[in-house]
Amino acid sequence: KQEVTQIPAALSVPEGENLVLNCSFTDSAIYNLQWFRQDPGKGLTSLLLIQSSQREQTSGRLNASLDKSSGRSTLYIAASQPGDSATYLCAVHSSGTYKYIFGTGTRLKVLA
Amino acid sequence: SAVISQKPSRDICQRGTSLTIQCQVDSQVTMMFWYRQQPGQSLTLIATANQGSEATYESGFVIDKFPISRPNLTFSTLTVSNMSPEDSSIYLCSVPVGQGFGDTFGSGTRLTVV
Repeated sequence: KQEVTQIPAALSVPEGENLVLNCSFTDSAIYNLQWFRQDPGKGLTSLLLIQSSQREQTSGRLNASLDKSSGRSTLYIAASQPGDSATYLCAVHSSGTYKYIFGTGTRLKVLA
Repeated sequence: SAVISQKPSRDICQRGTSLTIQCQVDSQVTMMFWYRQQPGQSLTLIATANQGSEATYESGFVIDKFPISRPNLTFSTLTVSNMSPEDSSIYLCSVPVGQGFGDTFGSGTRLTVV
């Protein structure tokens, strides 16, 4: 059974810092991994999708990497801004299934 | 990617009543997913809604509590029945964009049961 864990659970940083959010999963047989952003009380916004055959994806100040063999993904945010404050969720789509398993999330607060 | 319109965005309901949440997709999709996010928790899949057949429920979720309709390939509803304060959550629908292209989510319904 796939389990997804995110560390840290919460993070508070000053504006301008580069930061790394971690996601680990127990079963390496995956189709893809997706990173989402969720603002308080809102739905999910997809940030990056990494296919199982890929090592990383980049979008603007965001870079996500995937090490399938070790069951890890990281989301790197460069030059953080107060507008980046949100909860970041990773979700894993396991091979042979049709659904995503979500991690517990990292609540990020970027201080001005 | 698909665009999902989810309604209502939020509601406050009395215990014992029911609320129906709607999701409309701008393209035809075979599968639609319904999730629940309890306060401070991550998302948990409730069920998969397939057009023309009964929904498939995950462990811990039953049809009597969360009946789902899927009348066509662009629309689905989730009803939260006989609500209690423990049902206070954000409910979200999602659809696959395409094989290996991830899922798109609706904006969510924030439900508070008093």
